[in-house]
Amino acid sequence: DVKVTQSSRYLVKRTGEKVFLECVQDMDHENMFWYRQDPGLGLRLIYFSYDVKMKEKGDIPEGYSVSREKKERFSLILESASTSQTSMYLCASIEGLPTGELFFGEGSRLTVL
Amino acid sequence: QKEVEQNSGPLSVPEGAIASLNCTYSDRGSQSFFWYRQYSGKSPELIMSIYSNGDKEDGRFTAQLNKASQYVSLLIRDSQPSDSATYLCAVNSNQAGTALIFGKGTTLSVSS
Repeated sequence: DVKVTQSSRYLVKRTGEKVFLECVQDMDHENMFWYRQDPGLGLRLIYFSYDVKMKEKGDIPEGYSVSREKKERFSLILESASTSQTSMYLCASIEGLPTGELFFGEGSRLTVL
Repeated sequence: QKEVEQNSGPLSVPEGAIASLNCTYSDRGSQSFFWYRQYSGKSPELIMSIYSNGDKEDGRFTAQLNKASQYVSLLIRDSQPSDSATYLCAVNSNQAGTALIFGKGTTLSVSS
């Protein structure tokens, strides 16, 4: 069965802390994505990666970075967390060109105090 | 900026009625179109995909695509309370190195 696993479901961090959100997929998918979802704003793309060590900025990359050292793992990094980054973060993956089903993880709800 | 527009709702329909959800998109190069359903507190899940003009039916769901009008819709027949959720329209150009663009979603409420 298809599986995208996000390491933490709920996190509470302080302003200025460095935050790591990790995502692992077991489907050998080439493409992986990080979105954030906020009420009234929908799903917004932060970064995506279509190959190991490759990354592309999405619509809202400011304040975030990513790492993809292995095909199955895609990490989102908040270098210095701010309260505006309080959100639900969703990782997703898809095989090849994005013509098929996007598989989502369960989400990581981050609160920055 | 490529955009996908949906009415936020809420769209309220009685049980057994037809729910009609609409979506427009700005990028004429879009090739793939998806409807995702998201229950409160859960991740989105794919319910329909459509790639060519016309209708595509799957059970109680019908997706309709009109590329000339840049319009895609989802009809839910015999709506059930379990269909109450937020429905997300997503669009992609199928070019390498691109990602799905999502609308903000329409909230559907089906009353029994």
